[in-house]
Amino acid sequence: EAGVVQSPRYKIIEKKQPVAFWCNPISGHNTLYWYRQNLGQGPELLIRYENEEAVDDSQLPKDRFSAERLKGVDSTLKIQPAELGDSAVYLCASSLAVRGRNNSPLHFGNGTRLTVT
Amino acid sequence: KNQVEQSPQSLIILEGKNCTLQCNYTVSPFSNLRWYKQDTGRGPVSLTIMTFSENTKSNGRYTATLDADTKQSSLHITASQLSDSASYICVVSSYNNNDMRFGAGTRLTVKP
Repeated sequence: EAGVVQSPRYKIIEKKQPVAFWCNPISGHNTLYWYRQNLGQGPELLIRYENEEAVDDSQLPKDRFSAERLKGVDSTLKIQPAELGDSAVYLCASSLAVRGRNNSPLHFGNGTRLTVT
Repeated sequence: KNQVEQSPQSLIILEGKNCTLQCNYTVSPFSNLRWYKQDTGRGPVSLTIMTFSENTKSNGRYTATLDADTKQSSLHITASQLSDSASYICVVSSYNNNDMRFGAGTRLTVKP
């Protein structure tokens, strides 16, 4: 079974430029997450999808961040314009969530390391 | 204040030695607690899950414990190997919703 695939692996951009990250979750997983992880910290949730619906985007900085999950499969996360403080690793994860139960493990991709100069 | 606190922040041990990582949480109502291993440059991978009724669970050389009364969990690594060098992240889930709280992780380095 293929794992969660993210691209690109690394991205270096200048501040004020746009950037986009792509995630292909494990086939059949209905729930998809985008996390941001700073060095030495745990991942912080940006947005969670159940199928194609964003059910939790309360931590997404909506002035510059946007995400979509068309057809409930692949997802993209965009930042426009990027700021120096956006430098971090952006992790995508998926899980097979069963309504009423939240003990399914998250399967993470290897992330996109973003450097904003 | 983070609802999941891990200690120590970092740890260096010699190959073959044992170590114990700690996770204290205030997440309530409690659903489950997972330990993840995150190798450098990779995404976290689930090691084990602890539910309310479980006190201890082993996965090879990894043994997790849970004390739901004191809201503490530990991850014990036996006979450490160089490949155990990684960050270990504690994640606590609440029954309220699909809310998962991540600790900041413990960075373990195993030296030869």
